[in-house]
Amino acid sequence: GAVVSQHPSRVICKSGTSVKIECRSLDFQATTMFWYRQFPKQSLMLMATSNEGSKATYEQGVEKDKFLINHASLTLSTLTVTSAHPEDSSFYICSARDLATSGGSFAYNEQFFGPGTRLTVL
Amino acid sequence: AQTVTQSQPEMSVQEAETVTLSCTYDTSESDYYLFWYKQPPSRQMILVIRQEAYKQQNATENRFSVNFQKAAKSFSLKISDSQLGDAAMYFCALKQGAQKLVFGQGTRLTINP
Repeated sequence: GAVVSQHPSRVICKSGTSVKIECRSLDFQATTMFWYRQFPKQSLMLMATSNEGSKATYEQGVEKDKFLINHASLTLSTLTVTSAHPEDSSFYICSARDLATSGGSFAYNEQFFGPGTRLTVL
Repeated sequence: AQTVTQSQPEMSVQEAETVTLSCTYDTSESDYYLFWYKQPPSRQMILVIRQEAYKQQNATENRFSVNFQKAAKSFSLKISDSQLGDAAMYFCALKQGAQKLVFGQGTRLTINP
């Protein structure tokens, strides 16, 4: 299957600083990437959908000025947590959707998930 | 709005036995996809199995199979011959067309040796 990488795998930062997380599709092109947040023992919560070359679409309740998303190429999307605070500590997961169709149906394009980034804000 | 509900926060099964994880969903669309994802302790999300709503035949992937009841909006996962490596969080998910994946709350599966 296709591979999605995330960097860094874990990061610890001080309150008030900004942190950038990279998401890369390694062997396929992804027009769309998704950013999720996962709290301990909870499900994945979609934060935003990132489309290459256009502005990201944020889910309700997600601060777009705090979580900056850039999808500059078909293989790279970045999430920047600005002025991070302890409550931003969480596990962040990205996923990328393959550009190619599957089974003749554009409706189904499998999403491939990255390994996640654990952010701890002190 | 789409919703996915997993009513079993935790399940356990003896190694080599069979276990069924439940999932119900709600959608107003007739064309959609259903998925089961596995999240082991590494936190890497792994697609276990998927089902197209227009297909009546239940999907099967080796030891994993689903019971898809479209009218009842039910989508359960059966794991046969459970192995220690099956221990993980399992998430049921729904996707309509090009829209986003909607996940259930998850079920933590423990395999007892």
